[in-house]
Amino acid sequence: NAGVTQTPKFRVLKTGQSMTLLCAQDMNHEYMYWYRQDPGMGLRLIHYSVGEGTTAKGEVPDGYNVSRLKKQNFLLGLESAAPSQTSVYFCASSRGAGSGYTFGSGTRLTVV
Amino acid sequence: DQQVKQNSPSLSVQEGRISILNCDYTNSMFDYFLWYKKYPAEGPTFLISISSIKDKNEDGRFTVFLNKSAKHLSLHIVPSQPGDSAVYFCAASVGNYGQNFVFGPGTRLSVLP
Repeated sequence: NAGVTQTPKFRVLKTGQSMTLLCAQDMNHEYMYWYRQDPGMGLRLIHYSVGEGTTAKGEVPDGYNVSRLKKQNFLLGLESAAPSQTSVYFCASSRGAGSGYTFGSGTRLTVV
Repeated sequence: DQQVKQNSPSLSVQEGRISILNCDYTNSMFDYFLWYKKYPAEGPTFLISISSIKDKNEDGRFTVFLNKSAKHLSLHIVPSQPGDSAVYFCAASVGNYGQNFVFGPGTRLSVLP
């Protein structure tokens, strides 16, 4: 049982480049989330989805877009990467209200 | 301003002793709290939760205490084991609807053999 899988695990981008981070879960969870973790800041919610075809903004959505075309996948896109987006990105999923999160192992992104 | 604070970035404890990790919050509307544990190169894993209708919740060696008047919660680990060495995140939400948890910055616990 894979749980939540994030790809890639590491990536270095140049300023202005674009990329997509993929999150896949095999637990049939309704809710999916993208967080970023920065030193001293904890985990901050970027975007989330409460079901296939739905997305919503979290605390720090600027510079990111997301899509949830299939229930098991949640994509995070950076259209024009900036050094401020250097971070570790975590995807998570949950059954919904009243459920804890299952996190992926993270993607370390460096923008130079 | 951070709504969830973990003022100790790190904590060292001897194996077998008690570890106490603290968390303070500023939003009096928060009524559901969780603790997550994170090992290096892994995602956080759920540890224990508590809702505001309780002031204590236990799960094996882990106990979470909630003091609503002080807006403070703590995680006690007894006895501490070397495998408990990890970063611990406190998270809080208004209701438990699954999408609005606010995380603290984490405390790195080192349990020394």
